[in-house]
Amino acid sequence: GEDVEQSLFLSVREGDSSVINCTYTDSSSTYLYWYKQEPGAGLQLLTYIFSNMDMKQDQRLTVLLNKKDKHLSLRIADTQTGDSAIYFCAEGQDSNYQLIWGAGTKLIIKP
Amino acid sequence: KAGVTQTPRYLIKTRGQQVTLSCSPISGHRSVSWYQQTPGQGLQFLFEYFSETQRNKGNFPGRFSGRQFSNSRSEMNVSTLELGDSALYLCASSLTSGQFSMNTEAFFGQGTRLTVV
Repeated sequence: GEDVEQSLFLSVREGDSSVINCTYTDSSSTYLYWYKQEPGAGLQLLTYIFSNMDMKQDQRLTVLLNKKDKHLSLRIADTQTGDSAIYFCAEGQDSNYQLIWGAGTKLIIKP
Repeated sequence: KAGVTQTPRYLIKTRGQQVTLSCSPISGHRSVSWYQQTPGQGLQFLFEYFSETQRNKGNFPGRFSGRQFSNSRSEMNVSTLELGDSALYLCASSLTSGQFSMNTEAFFGQGTRLTVV
């Protein structure tokens, strides 16, 4: 199938690291994306990774890609209250030029 | 430059009615995609328009239709509304369509929240 799967919720303490996981289906997808949706807002691109990369780091964000297992993760270091949002994983399927989206993981920050 | 603008922000309709939602993409963007977002279901792809042509279509019934105008603005229409159509409808614009690249970023509007009663 075409499902991209994510856990629906993740709860972490402020200051800890958050790790949001995603599994995708199409091994031929060349780009994988993480989008962030804050309350009442549209989605905003956070970062992306090209399929021939294992890791990409951008300030507090680290994306890890395990292409063999079709597993993608987003690590947010030193999680802050402003990181509270829903995080969507998406794969860009080259076969039909569609973005296939996960259901989103709601990140809850505990004080 | 202005972002993606969706109107209206909120709508309440009754079952059986029809509704038209509007999306103005970022200036210069020719691709417009529509998504339905419901809690726990994530984003369900409706369709994509590029240069006034529908390029891709998701698995939605024929009650859902769309179009794109020469200025790239797009409308989405839902006829014979059902309670299950209540959702946040998001529009995304991007510069190009087709092959993905690091430049294929989708810019989203704030959405139109449709409630069917």
